[in-house]
Order: sequence, then C-alpha cells, then structure tokens
Amino acid sequence: QVQLQESGPGLVKPSQTLSLTCTVSGGSISSGTYYWSWIRQHPGKGLEWIGYISYSGSTYYNPSLKSRLTISVDTSKNEFSLKLSSVTAADTAVYYCATTSSSPYVDYWGQGTLVTVSS
Amino acid sequence: QSVLTQPPSVSAAPGQKVTISCSGSSSSIGNNYVSWYQQLPGTAPKLLIYENNKRPSGIPDRFSGSKSGTSATLGITGLQTGDEADYYCGTWDSSLSAVVFGGGTKLTVV
Repeated sequence: QVQLQESGPGLVKPSQTLSLTCTVSGGSISSGTYYWSWIRQHPGKGLEWIGYISYSGSTYYNPSLKSRLTISVDTSKNEFSLKLSSVTAADTAVYYCATTSSSPYVDYWGQGTLVTVSS
Repeated sequence: QSVLTQPPSVSAAPGQKVTISCSGSSSSIGNNYVSWYQQLPGTAPKLLIYENNKRPSGIPDRFSGSKSGTSATLGITGLQTGDEADYYCGTWDSSLSAVVFGGGTKLTVV
C-alpha cells in the first residue's frame, strides 16, 4: 500500500513561495499507476484540488491557481513537490499530498500538513 | 462556492439509514465518475466510493453509491456513532478541466 508524507515549512511569509515535498513509500512514482496530487483544505472548510502530475511530468493544475503553481516530480528520490508563489493569508490551509487514479479519484492520502501564511 | 452541491448537514439515529446527495451539472457529474470520501475529525479524508458505486477493499457494504443524471447519492445503512464525520463527493469537471469537490456534509448520529 502506498504511503505518503508531506514535509516543508509550517509558516510562510506573505508574498513568498510555499514549498512542500511529498515522499512516497510502498510504491514507485515511476510505476505509472497514479497521478501524484496536491489537495488543500482551508481551516474549517471543504477540499480544494490544487493539481497533479504524472510520473512523466505531465501536469494538470486548478485554473484558479495555475499562474502561481508548479508541481514537479523527482523519480530518483521517489518524491514530488509543490511550489505556490506570491502567497497570501488566503493560502493558509492544510495541504495534503495524495495519489489520484485515472477516473479520477483520490485513493491514498498523506496525513496533511498545516501551512500558515503570516508575517 | 463549490461546483458540486451537498447539504451542509444530515442526522439520523444509530442503526438507521441516511443518504447524502451531491448535485452537479452535465460537465461534471453528468459525464464523469463520482467518488465519495469520509473525513473523521482531525484526520485526512478516506476514499469510500469510486467510479459511482465501487467500494475499495476494506470499506464495508454499509456504504453504497449511486448516480443518476447530474446527481449522485451516498447511502449509509446501519449507522454507527463512528460514522460521524464529514463526507465529500468529487468528480472531474470537463468545462473547468479540474477535479472538483462538494462543500461537504456533516453527518451526526444521534
């Protein structure tokens, strides 16, 4: 079973870039089985899809975040990453990394990491 | 405001049945598969139903999913207090080219 673990700073200053990494265990990113996803949840709110990447590097981004967003994959480290630039307080959320199957549906989730945007 | 519409809350007694609706459009639910997720307090969401009505391994058959037109429904029978959680529907929206989720429904078992 695939396991995912998010890592990165829990506090980011406004206008800076939020950077998170997801380390994958129990499976290979290069297997081609999944898309590798980021999803966030604002405090007390619902789920928001950020985007996903295939093992080959093809990306699919939420149109509302696309201009600030980069998702990348490092198959040698079996991890994938999120960079969100020019953050504001509205980007404060729990960020989840996850696997997405082709239908699409999200089958495995990381535990989530809270990122707060504040000076 | 979410692309998919769910009731904010539902409640039922232990042992009873509850249904949670998810309403979309032709570009979302109408032409794509629906999935459902359970989020227990303080935890990450968990996949309950995928491709409208399929259950992943380990999900009891008390949970079921269905789809008709531009709406989908999650059914839970034999309610237990441990089912108290937030439930989300999700699908692909072909117009937005994005995965979209409902706003979530809080289930209370009282």
